Amino acid sequence: GESVGLHLPTLSVQEGDNSIINCAYSNSASDYFIWYKQESGKGPQFIIDIRSNMDKRQGQRVTVLLNKTVKHLSLQIAATQPGDSAVYFCAENQGGSEKLVFGKGTKLTVNP
Amino acid sequence: DAGVIQSPRHEVTEMGQEVTLRCKPISGHNSLFWYRQTMMRGLELLIYFNNNVPIDDSGMPEDRFSAKMPNASFSTLKIQPSEPRDSAVYFCATRGGSYNSPLHFGNGTRLTVT
Repeated sequence: GESVGLHLPTLSVQEGDNSIINCAYSNSASDYFIWYKQESGKGPQFIIDIRSNMDKRQGQRVTVLLNKTVKHLSLQIAATQPGDSAVYFCAENQGGSEKLVFGKGTKLTVNP
Repeated sequence: DAGVIQSPRHEVTEMGQEVTLRCKPISGHNSLFWYRQTMMRGLELLIYFNNNVPIDDSGMPEDRFSAKMPNASFSTLKIQPSEPRDSAVYFCATRGGSYNSPLHFGNGTRLTVT
């Protein structure tokens, strides 16, 4: 029979453009959020994190925005490069616990 | 820092066989997590340890799965007997700070059960 897998949202951008990847989280009590990047054959790699007492945090070429009202998280990548092509996951500490729960992921493809 | 080290990188075994996956955490990290990744279910938390003590194993799918952390530098995830539906990539991740700090992942073990 046909197998049903996760249908990853996909985002395709041109090299040099800015990318925005979105994530809806589930638990209003979660107070810590992380973005990870996963390349083929590798484990998730930490990109940037944010605590719930902030609504924006910037890193090198990346910005994370947190909207607690609508339980929404976004990752902005400036001047996207081919090396940014990967699957990106958001994660939350489930209800403020030690457990990190991952979203389904978004596949980013950067076209040269 | 060598990062989280997992072995083997790939494991192919027949249904019914015992499988042992290994993890060496980053030195000084006191929390260790085992995740499973499949296309169907994404990244699922199986179990985690603090200071070598299992804290939450509610994600372990069945009694066929067991995990140990005999000391601060080693953990195992065992499946006995293995079944084809156990085929997945298994990740170990560790954390050295408070719960509001990131997990650091190994590169995983790809398990195929035929």
